[in-house]
Amino acid sequence: DAKTTQPPSMDCAEGRAANLPCNHSTISGNEYVYWYRQIHSQGPQYIIHGLKNNETNEMASLIITEDRKSSTLILPHATLRDTAVYYCIVRALYNNNDMRFGAGTRLTVKP
Amino acid sequence: KAGVTQTPRYLIKTRGQQVTLSCSPISGHRSVSWYQQTPGQGLQFLFEYFSETQRNKGNFPGRFSGRQFSNSRSEMNVSTLELGDSALYLCASSPNRETNEKLFFGSGTQLSVL
Repeated sequence: DAKTTQPPSMDCAEGRAANLPCNHSTISGNEYVYWYRQIHSQGPQYIIHGLKNNETNEMASLIITEDRKSSTLILPHATLRDTAVYYCIVRALYNNNDMRFGAGTRLTVKP
Repeated sequence: KAGVTQTPRYLIKTRGQQVTLSCSPISGHRSVSWYQQTPGQGLQFLFEYFSETQRNKGNFPGRFSGRQFSNSRSEMNVSTLELGDSALYLCASSPNRETNEKLFFGSGTQLSVL
């Protein structure tokens, strides 16, 4: 079973921020929060990861609550190419055994 | 820099046959891991290789095996195929085990077992 819970689908208007929530109430102290996305017929693409501090890179921002039980991925200016399934996973840094994706959130960016 | 390359892209087999899938990691990457993705079970970890040695194994039967060559290229083999083995098989690479926080995935091999 995946250790995370995400809404099955979300819509976002092009150019607006997309905020994707994830619940991970059973996260352990050594587990990171990772976000990947998968565009149809392609392999998953790494977006961002973090432990407890908020993180930002060229693709997105990751906001992790203080108790680490939930997080939000923010795509600041969504484009049509951001339409994909977004997966939130938690895993220890060097443990690929935990690379288990749930159903994810299907984000549809609309013009 | 070329990404992770998986071949073939699509494969159709019948029950009882065996299949070999190939993965070429990004140049310089030494860690390769394999995953099975199905609509019902999502993405599940199969095994990880580093320096030609299996470092980690997921909860799959012995029909699933793999290996890694000295150039870091990897193959996985599934013997005695079952209908339930129909899935997208993904390979991912990272520079080494200590920096595998970012996994770079290939586009996968879509296996259909009839």
